[in-house]
Amino acid sequence: AQTVTQSQPEMSVQEAETVTLSCTYDTSESDYYLFWYKQPPSRQMILVIRQEAYKQQNATENRFSVNFQKAAKSFSLKISDSQLGDAAMYFCAYRAYGGSQGNLIFGKGTKLSVKP
Amino acid sequence: ETGVTQSPTHLIKTRGQQVTLRCSSQSGHNTVSWYQQALGQGPQFIFQYYREEENGRGNFPPRFSGLQFPNYSSELNVNALELDDSALYLCASSAGQGGETQYFGPGTRLLVL
Repeated sequence: AQTVTQSQPEMSVQEAETVTLSCTYDTSESDYYLFWYKQPPSRQMILVIRQEAYKQQNATENRFSVNFQKAAKSFSLKISDSQLGDAAMYFCAYRAYGGSQGNLIFGKGTKLSVKP
Repeated sequence: ETGVTQSPTHLIKTRGQQVTLRCSSQSGHNTVSWYQQALGQGPQFIFQYYREEENGRGNFPPRFSGLQFPNYSSELNVNALELDDSALYLCASSAGQGGETQYFGPGTRLLVL
């Protein structure tokens, strides 16, 4: 069974600095998707970034980028120029490729604090 | 474009009761997934509906059941509520059976006393 592990329960970053959140996963599949979701205190899960496993190029969305290491089964999120609004729980998630396996498997999350 | 909506936002029930949670999918999406998020944990997959049929189920007992309607909105029903059912219930919609990205609603906070 696939698993997702986030080894950092909490992280802290100074405003305007850079922080990296770690995620590892376990799967025997070769095609899959990886996601980072943000969940602020308002509770709504917001998509931050998505990576297709067949793409070698790391995904980037503005200040957010990933370091996808397929062989190592590692998928870290880098937040540059951190802002106060980045403070939230961040969840790494895995989804198999294909119709009937469409559920997301989440890690336990990393709580990110941003200090002014 | 309307996003995913859920109702109610909060709910308090007593043990043994039944509850129905509702979800309206994002415009253009025909797949709805439900997740249970206990306090301090990541969401756990309950089940998914695609075109009104169950399309996968997680490790939840049969007292968790669901429906999807022709307009792709969905209900989650939980019978014989237990204290451990207290959680945030999240609904997510996506396009297609293997839709790549799921977009979440704001959730329903259920408290079972």
